[in-house]
Amino acid sequence: EVQLVESGGDLVQPGGSLRLSCEVSGFTFSTYWMTWVRQAPGKGLEWVANIKQDGSVRHYVGSVKGRFTISRDNAKDSLYLQMNSLSAEDTAVYYCVRGMDVWGQGTLVTVSS
Amino acid sequence: QSVLTQPPSASGTPGQRVTISCSGSSSNIGTHIVNWYQQLPGTAPKLLIENNDQRPSGVPDRFSGSKSGTSGSLAITGLQSEDEADYYCATWDDSLSGWVFGGGTKLTVL
Repeated sequence: EVQLVESGGDLVQPGGSLRLSCEVSGFTFSTYWMTWVRQAPGKGLEWVANIKQDGSVRHYVGSVKGRFTISRDNAKDSLYLQMNSLSAEDTAVYYCVRGMDVWGQGTLVTVSS
Repeated sequence: QSVLTQPPSASGTPGQRVTISCSGSSSNIGTHIVNWYQQLPGTAPKLLIENNDQRPSGVPDRFSGSKSGTSGSLAITGLQSEDEADYYCATWDDSLSGWVFGGGTKLTVL
């Protein structure tokens, strides 16, 4: 069974940093693009970033460029999202997605003082 | 303001057919495939339609997708109460070099 399990969500102060992790199982991680998508409370879905199988290509939504970094460790079947300079607008549930098909259950990031 | 335009709401009675539209442009839907996602209340989104019109394993054939030009469409036939959810379209956008989602359509089964 394909599974994606996010972790690392927390309450953080504005300007702070947080690192999200996504551990996967049930498929060959190294053969898939991987994606982060977020959803602010009561709002729609927003694609955040994705990364190629070998990590050589990364794309980001404009609002997080220069602040967020997506990475992966194929030896550990894990995806990461390093988030710096966080603001209230980053408050959301963050989903790890295999390509754009299978979704994790999400982890909540709250940015507030 | 989303790059892809969906109606904010749709409704129908049990057994009816409803359609949800997704309007884009030449830099996104006009060039790339459209996916559709269903998000039941309090749960993570689930892929409903991929590559414009393909149903992943386990998705009932009551759900179908199509694409024409710069627009995509999701159709649900034989509407059921459990179909009440938010529905999102998504595609790649060449101008933004990223995936874009529609604003979402809240489907109510009356």
